[in-house]
Amino acid sequence: NAGVMQNPRHLVRRRGQEARLRCSPMKGHSHVYWYRQLPEEGLKFMVYLQKENIIDESGMPKERFSAEFPKEGPSILRIQQVVRGDSAAYFCASSQIQGSHTEAFFGQGTRLTVV
Amino acid sequence: AQTVTQSQPEMSVQEAETVTLSCTYDTSESDYYLFWYKQPPSRQMILVIRQEAYKQQNATENRFSVNFQKAAKSFSLKISDSQLGDAAMYFCAYRSASRLTGGGNKLTFGTGTQLKVEL
Repeated sequence: NAGVMQNPRHLVRRRGQEARLRCSPMKGHSHVYWYRQLPEEGLKFMVYLQKENIIDESGMPKERFSAEFPKEGPSILRIQQVVRGDSAAYFCASSQIQGSHTEAFFGQGTRLTVV
Repeated sequence: AQTVTQSQPEMSVQEAETVTLSCTYDTSESDYYLFWYKQPPSRQMILVIRQEAYKQQNATENRFSVNFQKAAKSFSLKISDSQLGDAAMYFCAYRSASRLTGGGNKLTFGTGTQLKVEL
């Protein structure tokens, strides 16, 4: 049973380009969470999605960032017109159902470097 | 909003010794979960241990145990018989258990404690 898969592991973008980060949840998981980890900091929640729905985007920057989790395929975190401050590790986690006894499992993250 | 505070940016321990990592949190909720995650240099987030707030008994997982003080909102991690493989960044995290928040399994993390294990 494959874990949460994120790709790419490393992504380099020039300022102004677009970054697309992909997350394939664990088999049977329909809930996806994206977190951002800035250098020397903890993980900060960005967005929570279920299939075809954004449930909670309270941690998403208002501009340039968007996320989707289509019926088929991976969840995508998209950053338009990247700036140096977007350089960070982006983690995806997935869980089976919303509930008190379910765990969220993390992918290995995508390290985005903006040059 | 909930907050999680880890006041020790860095800790060191001798191999085979015991170390305790501190964590405090702030919440107005009565039902929640607390976690310790380990992040080695590979960056993979590994769940070490979890505690349900409604349980008075402290959780244990082999060499890892917690001291959960609900009234004081404290949740420390004790690592016994420390091994070289324990060296990593450790994050304390909070998750609401309330269905009303709609946040699913959203976690609030502290800033982490870097643990070094010395020979």
